[in-house]
This record gives sequence, structure tokens and C-alpha cells, in this order.
Amino acid sequence: DVKVTQSSRYLVKRTGEKVFLECVQDMDHENMFWYRQDPGLGLRLIYFSYDVKMKEKGDIPEGYSVSREKKERFSLILESASTNQTSMYLCASSSNTPRGYTFGSGTRLTVV
Amino acid sequence: DQQVKQNSPSLSVQEGRISILNCDYTNSMFDYFLWYKKYPAEGPTFLISISSIKDKNEDGRFTVFLNKSAKHLSLHIVPSQPGDSAVYFCAPLQGAQKLVFGQGTRLTINP
Repeated sequence: DVKVTQSSRYLVKRTGEKVFLECVQDMDHENMFWYRQDPGLGLRLIYFSYDVKMKEKGDIPEGYSVSREKKERFSLILESASTNQTSMYLCASSSNTPRGYTFGSGTRLTVV
Repeated sequence: DQQVKQNSPSLSVQEGRISILNCDYTNSMFDYFLWYKKYPAEGPTFLISISSIKDKNEDGRFTVFLNKSAKHLSLHIVPSQPGDSAVYFCAPLQGAQKLVFGQGTRLTINP
């Protein structure tokens, strides 16, 4: 069964900490995405990558960075966590067909 | 500026009846539209899609209608079942691979 795996389901971090959210896919997909989900706002795209070592800003990249050193792994980095980054973070990957989006189960991050 | 709007945050429907979820968009360049379903503590899963060259696509109990002139699409679920209770996201495709999600509609099916 194909999978997108996010390393943590729940995470609690302190304000100012550097936070790493990891995502791994086993489908050999070219494209990977990081979204955050907030009530009333839907899913908003933070960053995406179409290839190894490639990254592009999404709609809300401020306060975040990403790393894609290997095709199967896409990491989201919160440089200095703030309380307004408390959210559900969802990673997805896709092949070059739109139906091919597969999401991970999400990481609920709380910044205190 | 929100390109995709799902104006009903929630919807409650009796089991066995029809559920209709609506989605409006502003970008006339969108030409492929997807609906995703999300249960709590899980990632969204693909449900059904429609290309802009069609006005209807059906898959079992699920039908999506597209009105390009009105920039409106709707998802019909008939008959509604308790397992359909979830959050539904409308997601047009922007460019080759980027999905733009609406705010979502929480559907509750009452027994």
C-alpha cells in the first residue's frame, strides 16, 4: 500500500524553538507539498517541490523553510516557532497526474 | 484573495437524503477540479474529479456538476450514508500540479 508518512502525529514545542517536520513517500513521486489546515481557512500551501533540491514558495511561506535532499523526503522547518504556527500540517506527494495527490495523516503542532 | 470559496462551513443531512455541497471559484484558468474528503486525524483522500470539457461526472453515489459560465461546481451525494460524515474540500488544479483548496464544508449525516 502506497504511503506518505509524517514522522509525528502530535508535537508540542516552545516559542522560539527550531522545529523540523519530516515527510517520506514511498511512491517515487516527483512532487511534494506542505500544507497547513486551520479552521475556516481550508488547506493553505506553504512550500512545494517538483524535484530533488528544488523548492518553490506557496501562498504562506513566511516563517518556514524546506529541504529536499532526496526524492522521497521533504522536510518543513520552522526557523523560530511562534504561537500562530500552531496548526495541523499536512504533507502530500503526487506524480504528474492530478489524481495522484496522496496525503499523509498530518502532524498537529502546538507551539506554547 | 480567495480563489476558491465554499460558503457553507457545515451541512447537516438526514441519512438516505441527498447532500449537496457547493463551491465557487474566481480563476477562469482553472480547467480541472477535484473533491477531497477528510476524516478527523487523517489526511484528505481523493473522491471525484471533473475536467472543464465536461459538465457532469458520476461515480457511484457521487456526482460532480460544473457550470463554467457561473464558475460554480457542486458535489451531490445520493443517498447519503453515516460514513459520508467528513469535511469535503473543493480543489481546482492550478498549473500542472498545484491544487488550490477551498475552506471545506463539514458534512454531518444524521441517522
